[in-house]
Amino acid sequence: DTEVTQTPKHLVMGMTNKKSLKCEQHMGHRAMYWYKQKAKKPPELMFVYSYEKLSINESVPSRFSPECPNSSLLNLHLHALQPEDSALYLCASSLSPARDRAHEQYFGPGTRLTVT
Amino acid sequence: QKEVEQNSGPLSVPEGAIASLNCTYSDRVSQSFFWYRQYSGKSPELIMSIYSNGDKEDGRFTAQLNKASQYVSLLIRDSQPSDSATYLCAVTNAGNNRKLIWGLGTSLAVNP
Repeated sequence: DTEVTQTPKHLVMGMTNKKSLKCEQHMGHRAMYWYKQKAKKPPELMFVYSYEKLSINESVPSRFSPECPNSSLLNLHLHALQPEDSALYLCASSLSPARDRAHEQYFGPGTRLTVT
Repeated sequence: QKEVEQNSGPLSVPEGAIASLNCTYSDRVSQSFFWYRQYSGKSPELIMSIYSNGDKEDGRFTAQLNKASQYVSLLIRDSQPSDSATYLCAVTNAGNNRKLIWGLGTSLAVNP
């Protein structure tokens, strides 16, 4: 089973709202990722958690706040977003990377976010 | 700047033909290579991973890796209309193998 689940599927929020995106996997993966994808562009890495610790932050604005409560769950807290933050937000997971190779990343279905 | 390049397409092939998708990368120490398929409005789906020079086959899909020439390709045999999608090439390197470097994708259209 290579399933990563994400909720909600769609989210519309105003610029003053606070909302959260959720991601879950039960594959025993120890690395989890948040990506942002705009139309006709490849996914853009935002954050990486490895063994529940934040290991990569790609200089993401502080209005995006990640959280990894345990090895199966990943949240992305959203606050005071801008219309240009509207995008497909993707969660992915993988086995924790080995020294000599990267393991496959499996993506969830994504949350389509619209900021009004 | 480490880069991954793909022809944007669209690549158009008739049903039943072989579709050939190519990807070149700039970082000689790249070690892990992935092909993802993405339907419009959906998330990327892993099709193939390849780590060593040569061919790797999985059903109708074959990935080919040539590290000396710094290219990786994906062949789709007996193409079906359901294969019509954008195919994304992604590469990692030894410096940070949690970070995928993505190509912009090739749009494939399989015509019935």
